[in-house]
Amino acid sequence: NAGVTQTPKFRVLKTGQSMTLLCAQDMNHEYMYWYRQDPGMGLRLIHYSVGEGTTAKGEVPDGYNVSRLKKQNFLLGLESAAPSQTSVYFCASSGLFLAEQYFGPGTRLTVT
Amino acid sequence: AQSVTQLDSQVPVFEEAPVELRCNYSSSVSVYLFWYVQYPNQGLQLLLKYLSGSTLVESINGFEAEFNKSQTSFHLRKPSVHISDTAEYFCAVYGGGADGLTFGKGTHLIIQP
Repeated sequence: NAGVTQTPKFRVLKTGQSMTLLCAQDMNHEYMYWYRQDPGMGLRLIHYSVGEGTTAKGEVPDGYNVSRLKKQNFLLGLESAAPSQTSVYFCASSGLFLAEQYFGPGTRLTVT
Repeated sequence: AQSVTQLDSQVPVFEEAPVELRCNYSSSVSVYLFWYVQYPNQGLQLLLKYLSGSTLVESINGFEAEFNKSQTSFHLRKPSVHISDTAEYFCAVYGGGADGLTFGKGTHLIIQP
C-alpha cells in the first residue's frame, strides 16, 4: 500500500516548455487535490477532483490544467511554463471523510 | 469560506524549552481543525486533529492543541522541545465542501541548542 505517490520528484523546465505531473493513489479515494507550496504562502489549492472524469478550479488555477481519466490518477499539466510556477507541488487524496487528506511527497519544479 | 491565520512565521526556541504555535481561524460554520508538520525536504504529515469531543487533543510525540471555540483558536503546544522538532508547522481547517482544507501560511519552528 503505497498511499499517494508523485512523479517526478524534481524537474527543471525552461520558460515556455510544457510538462505533466502525475499523482497516483491506491486507496480507492474519490477526491484528489493539487496544491502548490511557496515560501510564506502555505499551501494553495490549484485544482481538485470529486471523482473520475470531473475536475474543478481551486484558489490559483491559472496556467494549469488537470485531468482525471482514471480514479487512481490525477494529472497536473503546465502548457507553457513560467518562472512564477517555480514551486513545490503536492498532491493529496481523501475518501468519504473529506477532511482527512493524505499527501504525496511532493514535486519540486524550477522554471528558468 | 474559511480562513486561517498563523500569527508567527518563525519561532526560535531553545532546546528543552516550552513552545506555543498560534493558530486562529474564521468560519461561519462548524469546522474540523488540523495541524500538519513538514520536516525539511519532506511532505506533509498529520500531527493531530480536532473533530469533536474533548477540546484538548494530543499527538504521539508530545504535542497537544486545544480547540477554543469562543476565541476561534487552535494553538499548538509542547512543554519541552527537541532538536528533532525543527520543522514547518501548518494549521488547517475544514468547513465542508469538496475543495478540502484551507491552510495557514505556516510557522517555522527553529530549535536552538
